[in-house]
Parts: sequence; C-alpha cells; structure tokens
Amino acid sequence: EVQLVESGGGLVQPGGFLRLSCEASGFTFSSYELNWVRQAPGKGLEWLSYISDSGNTVYYADSVEGRFTMSRDNAKNSLYLQMNSLRAEDTAVYYCVRDGTPGTFGMVHFDNWGQGTLVTVSS
Amino acid sequence: DIQMTQSPSTLSASVGDRVTITCRASQTIDSWLAWYQQKPGKAPKLLIYKASTLESGVPSRFSGSGSGTEFTLTISSQQPDDFATYFCQQYKRFPITFGRGTRLEIK
Repeated sequence: EVQLVESGGGLVQPGGFLRLSCEASGFTFSSYELNWVRQAPGKGLEWLSYISDSGNTVYYADSVEGRFTMSRDNAKNSLYLQMNSLRAEDTAVYYCVRDGTPGTFGMVHFDNWGQGTLVTVSS
Repeated sequence: DIQMTQSPSTLSASVGDRVTITCRASQTIDSWLAWYQQKPGKAPKLLIYKASTLESGVPSRFSGSGSGTEFTLTISSQQPDDFATYFCQQYKRFPITFGRGTRLEIK
C-alpha cells in the first residue's frame, strides 16, 4: 500500500522558516516524481512544486519561487520542503503528492496524497 | 498560466439525483484533466484522469467527459457518500492548476 506521511508543520512567526518532510513507503520511491500541494483553510488546492525522480529538475509556483526549496533523498525515501520567509498567506495544510505514472515529467494526474501537515504563520 | 473555472461553486442535490459539474480551461488542455473528491479534514482522492478514465476502485456511477477546454464530471445517481467537494485539475503544463471546487450539498 502506498503511504505518504508528512511531518514538520506547526506554528511559526512571519519571516520565519520551517522544513516539511514526507516519508514514503509501499512503492519504488526513486522511480516517481512528486509534488507539494497546499490548501489554505476553507480554500481550494494550490500546486506549489514538482521534483523529478532523480531530483535534478524542480519547478515552483510563482507564489513560492525564491522562498521555498523542494528536495528529495531517494536513499531515505523522503521528500522535503524548506520554507523560508514565511508569510501569513502561507498558512495552509501542505500535502505531499505522488505523480500517477513514473517518467511523465509532471504531465500526469496525482494518484496518491499524504494526510497533510498544517503550517500556521502568525505572530 | 491556465485558468480552470468550475461551476457551480455549490450544488444541492438529493440521493438518487443525476449531478453534473463543469470545468472550463482558459486554453486547450487536450484531455489532460483530472477530477478529485475531497471530504472535510481529508486529503483529495483521485476519481478520474485523462478526462474520462476512471481510477481503479472508484464506483462506476462517476464518469468524466470532454476535451479541449470543456469538461464535465457526472454522478449518475448521487449516493450519501458522494456529498463532498470536487476539484478539477489540468496537467497539460506547469504551473499545474486546479478549479476552485464545487461543494455538493444535501438538498
């Protein structure tokens, strides 16, 4: 069974930083591309970033480009999101999400989602 | 960026009703569209991909259609478990974008 388990969320002050982790199991982690998607309270879904299977290619949404860094460690079956210069509008549940088919360079649906981790940016 | 416009934003229906949700893309996305269902406090769940392919394990009362810029999600006979919020998503190109969601309520 595919499992994606996020951790690292919490309360942080504006301008602060946080590092989210996603531990994967149940599939060949190094073969799949992954994404981060967030959802502000009561709002819709916002795609944030994509990383290729090797980690060599990363794309970001404009809203987080330059502030967030996505990375992965295939030896540890883990995905990361380093979030710097956090703002109140970054308050959301952050989901680790798997691409539905390996090797499609992000042009594919999302077939598995983690349970999410809540990040609250407030003073 | 490709804008995804979903309608309606809220839909009231009764058990047994046929329900249709529409998603329109601001430019052609061929058939690179997925539909997700989300219940309160839970992660989204994939229902349909490539506009009309039913994800394994999803009941056959769900169906998707369309291509280009106009897409629909249909529930042939609404069941109690289907009351949730539904999102469309395009994956034709980055940035990947979602519709704002359709909340399906009990009438």
